[in-house]
Amino acid sequence: GAGVSQSPRYKVAKRGQDVALRCDPISGHVSLFWYQQALGQGPEFLTYFQNEAQLDKSGLPSDRFFAERPEGSVSTLKIQRTQQEDSAVYLCASSLESGGVRETQYFGPGTRLLVL
Amino acid sequence: AQSVSQHNHHVILSEAASLELGCNYSYGGTVNLFWYVQYPGQHLQLLLKYFSGDPLVKGIKGFEAEFIKSKFSFNLRKPSVQWSDTAEYFCAVNPGSSASKIIFGSGTRLSIRP
Repeated sequence: GAGVSQSPRYKVAKRGQDVALRCDPISGHVSLFWYQQALGQGPEFLTYFQNEAQLDKSGLPSDRFFAERPEGSVSTLKIQRTQQEDSAVYLCASSLESGGVRETQYFGPGTRLLVL
Repeated sequence: AQSVSQHNHHVILSEAASLELGCNYSYGGTVNLFWYVQYPGQHLQLLLKYFSGDPLVKGIKGFEAEFIKSKFSFNLRKPSVQWSDTAEYFCAVNPGSSASKIIFGSGTRLSIRP
């Protein structure tokens, strides 16, 4: 079956531009997570949705980062006024139920963002 | 600060060798523990997890991990590695106080010589 998909797979942005990254979770999955993975590091938690509700956004690094999931399926991570330190792979994961981390997360391929 | 440490950045082994990857964390309370794996060209996937009960947990592909609370450790082991185990391995911890946040280590790259 279809897994988690993300688009675009690669994005090059000039410093100061706004970008939008899309995540299509596995159909029917209630929970959705966003992570940021810098080069040579492990993923860092950004935010968590349960259906359309954003229950945890404690990992968003600044107010330039904004995530939404308006209909409880597709999610968009938006980064305003991109900076070079935003260069990273952005991973999306979904899980079937609403048990948070106790549910198995299925990861997408990631979007590699390069800010010049 | 809360953290997860994976002391080995790159491990190189021959096939059939035994494997142990170290993981230590710095949380004092209840934790949930994970190992994730990313094979070349593939997505990150769950290898095994520990929530409670028997501190020795078994995962896919013959991997196991042991939770030692007194040492704040959750080391990953496999008695005999195969070339197909070449991958990056991430230890991760969920502080029990959070339902959603997972803190990942920086990863260990495992290379298996055929």
